[in-house]
Amino acid sequence: GAGVSQSPSNKVTEKGKDVELRCDPISGHTALYWYRQSLGQGLEFLIYFQGNSAPDKSGLPSDRFSAERTGGSVSTLTIQRTQQEDSAVYLCASSSLGLHEQYFGPGTRLTVT
Amino acid sequence: SQELEQSPQSLIVQEGKNLTINCTSSKTLYGLYWYKQKYGEGLIFLMMLQKGGEEKSHEKITAKLDEKKQQSSLHITASQPSHAGIYLCGADNGGSNYKLTFGKGTLLTVNP
Repeated sequence: GAGVSQSPSNKVTEKGKDVELRCDPISGHTALYWYRQSLGQGLEFLIYFQGNSAPDKSGLPSDRFSAERTGGSVSTLTIQRTQQEDSAVYLCASSSLGLHEQYFGPGTRLTVT
Repeated sequence: SQELEQSPQSLIVQEGKNLTINCTSSKTLYGLYWYKQKYGEGLIFLMMLQKGGEEKSHEKITAKLDEKKQQSSLHITASQPSHAGIYLCGADNGGSNYKLTFGKGTLLTVNP
């Protein structure tokens, strides 16, 4: 079946602009995660959605970052007033309720110039 | 927060050689996940270990979990160029959100 998909695959934006990154999880997966992978920083957790529960936003680095998940499926990660330090690969993962294996999308490479 | 230390940071081996990558946690491991990543691609799930002493294999890759040492090892037998990539371990922190904390990865190069 189809895996996790993300769009765009690459995004170059100017400092100060807003960007939206999209994630389509595996069909039927109720849990959705956003992670960020930066050079020298490794992979860090950003936000977690589980069904209709309030999301766990504990990993968001600043209030410029927000995410939503509509209809329990597609998720959008929004970064406002982008900064150069936001440049990274943003990875989305999904998993089934009760199972822990997280399946990752190919990521969106964000470059802020 | 939980920290994961991976060693070595990078590894170069000749095709056909065996190798081991280690992942050590600063806290109790509730679940340990191994992923592989190729440049520019997402993470490919390899294995999940949950119980102390558990060992799993996938093709020529074997992973073990030593709960007491809070450590997991990934062993590749008779390495091939297709094994090249970045190997990442991720740990479940025991919270209800199942978010994973990742090590910084081990870059494996296999020379033909």
